[in-house]
Amino acid sequence: ETGVTQTPRHLVMGMTNKKSLKCEQHLGHNAMYWYKQSAKKPLELMFVYNFKEQTENNSVPSRFSPECPNSSHLFLHLHTLQPEDSALYLCASSPMRGDEYEQYFGPGTRLTVT
Amino acid sequence: ELKVEQNPLFLSMQEGKNYTIYCNYSTTSDRLYWYRQDPGKSLESLFVLLSNGAVKQEGRLMASLDTKARLSTLHITAAVHDLSATYFCAVDMEETSGSRLTFGEGTQLTVNP
Repeated sequence: ETGVTQTPRHLVMGMTNKKSLKCEQHLGHNAMYWYKQSAKKPLELMFVYNFKEQTENNSVPSRFSPECPNSSHLFLHLHTLQPEDSALYLCASSPMRGDEYEQYFGPGTRLTVT
Repeated sequence: ELKVEQNPLFLSMQEGKNYTIYCNYSTTSDRLYWYRQDPGKSLESLFVLLSNGAVKQEGRLMASLDTKARLSTLHITAAVHDLSATYFCAVDMEETSGSRLTFGEGTQLTVNP
């Protein structure tokens, strides 16, 4: 695998379910990000991890819980979601050295909450 | 709060024509990115602009950055159908802890035969 991978690619869950999204980067980066892309809205930054430490939580509801066990893996744990949480969830990674901050995106997980 | 505005949000153009997409942002930054997104797909990086006056070209697309005007443009030359996609600009408010991107709403481009 190369680049940034995400699993699953599609997920349908009920409002009482618990599920997790997984992201893995094979680029040797030290920063990882979760974004939410809803229809007709700009991408919204949700969480940022640098060297496994969370450095930003953009006022995200607690029903979204991120986990970063190491610099290559990032999870988003989901529980008691609402229908308005249906969206494309994108993971990205970037280096943190010098000027090399460009973010590389994964293919996304299309989440539908029923 | 940083705001990033793109215009137009929707663009329908004929093959062979030229057009420009504009990206305005509200605070000082000298780092701007352009991404392309095809329906149902992820974001593909097109250009990284890291300084005032930066200009980059790839095929029929050319991007520029004017940090004093807080404006970036994406110019399309002699459009072809394959360029149909949504184009996003993103401004980076980099911090010592890394990158922080704020995205524009996106410009949905349709190139008609």
